[in-house]
Amino acid sequence: DQQVKQNSPSLSVQEGRISILNCDYTNSMFDYFLWYKKYPAEGPTFLISISSIKDKNEDGRFTVFLNKSAKHLSLHIVPSQPGDSAVYFCAASATSGTYKYIFGTGTRLKVLA
Amino acid sequence: GAGVSQSPSNKVTEKGKDVELRCDPISGHTALYWYRQSLGQGLEFLIYFQGNSAPDKSGLPSDRFSAERTGGSVSTLTIQRTQQEDSAVYLCASSLVRDRGKAFFGQGTRLTVV
Repeated sequence: DQQVKQNSPSLSVQEGRISILNCDYTNSMFDYFLWYKKYPAEGPTFLISISSIKDKNEDGRFTVFLNKSAKHLSLHIVPSQPGDSAVYFCAASATSGTYKYIFGTGTRLKVLA
Repeated sequence: GAGVSQSPSNKVTEKGKDVELRCDPISGHTALYWYRQSLGQGLEFLIYFQGNSAPDKSGLPSDRFSAERTGGSVSTLTIQRTQQEDSAVYLCASSLVRDRGKAFFGQGTRLTVV
C-alpha cells in the first residue's frame, strides 16, 4: 500500500511558465511534508517543507501548498528554469512515528528552453 | 567531510555473495537513514537510526538485510546472499532530529547483482 503517491511520472513545461507537481497521501497521521529534488547520479537534495499547521510555505520561486482535508500537496515553481529539470520527490512523516520519511515515486520535470 | 559520504559508489557482485555498504554521515547528525531506489521506483525506506534508541527496521525487505551504526556515526548496511532483485541504488541520509525534513543524502551506492 503506497502511502505517498505522485501520479504523474513526468511533466514538461516551457521556460518561464509555472510548474505544478502534485502529491497525494493516505495516512492521516502524516504531519510534515517535504519536497526533494534529484539530479541523475546524485543523492536527493532538500527543497522545501511544510508542517500540517500551515497550508502554504514559500521559498523564492518554490511554494508548497497543503490541503489536509484532501490529503493533497503541491509544489509550484514559478518561473520555471531549465536548471529545474530533475526528478522531484514528495515525502511525508509523522511526529508520532520515528521521523522516517515515506517517499513518493517521483515526477520527472523537464523545463524546455 | 562536509557531506554524507557513501562507499563504494558502485558495486557489482555475484548472486549469493554478501555485500557491505558504508555510510559516513555528517558530523553531529544523530539521525541516519537508509533508503533504496530500484529502477523506475521511488525511494523505499529501509532502516532509521536515532542516537542510542533502538533502530526502526520496519523497512528491511528480508532477514538477509541488516544494518548497524557504530559509535553513533558510521553505518554499514549488509546484504547477505544477494539476489538479483537487490540491484538498486542504496542511499544513506543523515539529519539533526530537531531540524526535521532537512535530511542530507549521500550520492548513493549502485549495487548490481549478476
